[in-house]
Amino acid sequence: DAGITQSPRYKITETGRQVTLMCHQTWSHSYMFWYRQDLGHGLRLIYYSAAADITDKGEVPDGYVVSRSKTENFPLTLESATRSQTSVYFCASTSVPGETQYFGPGTRLLVL
Amino acid sequence: AQSVTQLGSHVSVSEGALVLLRCNYSSSVPPYLFWYVQYPNQGLQLLLKYTSAATLVKGINGFEAEFKKSETSFHLTKPSAHMSDAAEYFCAVSDPYGNKLVFGAGTILRVKS
Repeated sequence: DAGITQSPRYKITETGRQVTLMCHQTWSHSYMFWYRQDLGHGLRLIYYSAAADITDKGEVPDGYVVSRSKTENFPLTLESATRSQTSVYFCASTSVPGETQYFGPGTRLLVL
Repeated sequence: AQSVTQLGSHVSVSEGALVLLRCNYSSSVPPYLFWYVQYPNQGLQLLLKYTSAATLVKGINGFEAEFKKSETSFHLTKPSAHMSDAAEYFCAVSDPYGNKLVFGAGTILRVKS
């Protein structure tokens, strides 16, 4: 299906485990973004990527790692999950920086 | 650094009443401005965007927003609220370099019957 998808949609993990959240888009957008959404904070940017193999930190990058070997995929890895990383994670993409971003449905992550 | 302030984390209106959601931004350069809506358990959808073509921007579902540079505001309005408008609304502004968006904390709109 065309669009932007995220997997898994729901994930429960334990403190200290590694978790990878997947994001896939079919538009060939150059720019992709990872946000986390927490009550009272809106959306905060974790990492973004301007193209394959080009990534940069956002507002809250600590504890997260990203890669982008292919234009259409932008996985987000929590190397050693902590309870403070319990959140809803959204991936987004756009073809023009600063322009409309298109969001995936989100991944709800619970770290016990 | 760019910032966005949304006044009121919760707004409650009666069905048929005017909806007004407030957004103020900080920027020395006229930015791109956006309003997004998020329905429960869904991602964000674009309502409307300002890109300097016109100060009054019309979006989907009867919403509109007016860019006021002197007040650094981009308030969202709808003349008559509908039950289906109940959702969370986010104001966002592009950073001066245009690479990223900065989001406000969001306003949850409740529509009473």
